[in-house]
Amino acid sequence: GDSVTQMEGPVTLSEEAFLTINCTYTATGYPSLFWYVQYPGEGLQLLLKATKADDKGSNKGFEATYRKETTSFHLEKGSVQVSDSAVYFCALSDYGGSQGNLIFGKGTKLSVKP
Amino acid sequence: GAVVSQHPSRVICKSGTSVKIECRSLDFQATTMFWYRQFPKQSLMLMATSNEGSKATYEQGVEKDKFLINHASLTLSTLTVTSAHPEDSSFYICSARISLGQTKETQYFGPGTRLLVL
Repeated sequence: GDSVTQMEGPVTLSEEAFLTINCTYTATGYPSLFWYVQYPGEGLQLLLKATKADDKGSNKGFEATYRKETTSFHLEKGSVQVSDSAVYFCALSDYGGSQGNLIFGKGTKLSVKP
Repeated sequence: GAVVSQHPSRVICKSGTSVKIECRSLDFQATTMFWYRQFPKQSLMLMATSNEGSKATYEQGVEKDKFLINHASLTLSTLTVTSAHPEDSSFYICSARISLGQTKETQYFGPGTRLLVL
């Protein structure tokens, strides 16, 4: 079945460092791909998404490109801030472009130190 | 953005008792609500999908008589863990989906409920 694999954390970075969180997927169809973020004490929030190959999702300085050839959707940010400390989840959905029937990775905890 | 709340945020109960968790969409009507379960350092796993006024659709391996879901209104869904046992201890997360148009739907997540069964 479909699955998502993302790098294990925790990831600890200094402020203004470059961030990469790897995510790869396995899917039989043509899934949409998502990154969610969960700040402490809050629910998951959609960070960005891409619905087809070569699409780039971006939001709040974060970017991820849908790479069909490598079945990847790595999350990147050029300069992290302390406020980016959270748990990041990669997810896929093969339910068209909506967010139904999501399949999540295990999550990667990011801690950014001042 | 839209807000989804869960109550309680944490609950500790004795083995054999039942626990009810509420999921509410505070400022929108949710056509569909989802219930997920998350074990430590594991993915969120979809347990069931519920539509208002109809029976929930359970994922394979999830006992529907163990995890009772009631979606009585467009703003409230409840998950009842019946005769809870220690292995039911977990983090339960709900989400609510609204239709913004024919092709775009957005799902909003609650903050989760930590259940500990002693």
